Amino acid sequence: EPEVTQTPSHQVTQMGQEVILRCVPISNHLYFYWYRQILGQKVEFLVSFYNNEISEKSEIFDDQFSVERPDGSNFTLKIRSTKLEDSAMYFCASSLRRQGGTDTQYFGPGTRLTVL
Amino acid sequence: GQQVMQIPQYQHVQEGEDFTTYCNSSTTLSNIQWYKQRPGGHPVFLIQLVKSGEVKKQKRLTFQFGEAKKNSSLHITATQTTDVGTYFCAGPPGGFKTIFGAGTRLFVKA
Repeated sequence: EPEVTQTPSHQVTQMGQEVILRCVPISNHLYFYWYRQILGQKVEFLVSFYNNEISEKSEIFDDQFSVERPDGSNFTLKIRSTKLEDSAMYFCASSLRRQGGTDTQYFGPGTRLTVL
Repeated sequence: GQQVMQIPQYQHVQEGEDFTTYCNSSTTLSNIQWYKQRPGGHPVFLIQLVKSGEVKKQKRLTFQFGEAKKNSSLHITATQTTDVGTYFCAGPPGGFKTIFGAGTRLFVKA
């Protein structure tokens, strides 16, 4: 069964450093998402991406965050200058159609980001 | 902004007992989705409800969407240890954004 993959599984970085989290969505999917989950808390929407542009973003997704689909397969989340409060599990998800329709979002296994 | 609330936060049950989690949105939802997250795992899509008053079943799981499309419930009959995890409801208020509830963590004692 096709699945969403994410690398790395765990990233440790110093505060102020830039990090790039990588995701390979399911190959025929068209909609891509990033979420984060602080330990023990709920899943929070960050951004959705379709047709090579951001379709929606949350208040969390400020100027420090950016997303890119540099080629036909990867989908990346960049945090320019990490803060301690960015420590969380970051999930990538993809879907075939927009989530307002009857479709399923498939989540990757996540990247645990630890900011020291 | 739109909020999705879930209760209870935690539920401890004996294996074989039933379990229900409730979800309420501050605004009308176009649809509601349910996810399960095992400890240390990622959210896994369970189901999506679209129609007002809709009821769907998956084996021992029963999902309901309220008539006003602002609330939903997930009921598990005769829980098993494999049901352990956190159950999240999630709804798109519109557009491409999904708002997750805080989740209900289910503990099942054998």
